[in-house]
Amino acid sequence: GAGVSQSPSNKVTEKGKDVELRCDPISGHTALYWYRQSLGQGLEFLIYFQGNSAPDKSGLPSDRFSAERTGGSVSTLTIQRTQQEDSAVYLCASSFAGSSYEQYFGPGTRLTVT
Amino acid sequence: AQKITQTQPGMFVQEKEAVTLDCTYDTSDPSYGLFWYKQPSSGEMIFLIYQGSYDQQNATEGRYSLNFQKARKSANLVISASQLGDSAMYFCAMREMNRDDKIIFGKGTRLHILP
Repeated sequence: GAGVSQSPSNKVTEKGKDVELRCDPISGHTALYWYRQSLGQGLEFLIYFQGNSAPDKSGLPSDRFSAERTGGSVSTLTIQRTQQEDSAVYLCASSFAGSSYEQYFGPGTRLTVT
Repeated sequence: AQKITQTQPGMFVQEKEAVTLDCTYDTSDPSYGLFWYKQPSSGEMIFLIYQGSYDQQNATEGRYSLNFQKARKSANLVISASQLGDSAMYFCAMREMNRDDKIIFGKGTRLHILP
């Protein structure tokens, strides 16, 4: 079946512009995560959606970052007024609820802010 | 305090040798899961192995095994007979069932297999 998909795969934008990154999780997965990964670094947690619960936004680095998940499926991560330090790979993952279920990751969106 | 600690930022190992990647975790939740992921230079995240907190046996998947020491809160990944293709970043992760069910990652260990 289809895995987690993300679009675009690459995005180059000018400093100060807004960007939207999209994630299509695996159908039926109730949990959806966004992470940021700078070159050669670990995964930085951004935001977590679980079912109909309020999202865990504790990882968002500033109020320029926001995310929504419509209809419990597709999610959009929005970065307003992009800065050069926002350049990174943004990874989305989804899973079933429950401690025994692993996450399935998308291929990521590579964001470059010039 | 960090929930997941991977103390080895980088390791170099000779091909065909066994490798142990360290991971310790911190939780008061009796129900949790531990995961290892591999991230090669291509960037994809590959799930390797899972260990549940109530599992009596150490998890094994082919050349991967998880050395689960619950009292020590350690979940080391063991790769037997390492291969050049094992060169990658490895992440340990934990999911606490009775909290918010959120998966938390360690900072990773970069493994280099030498020919």
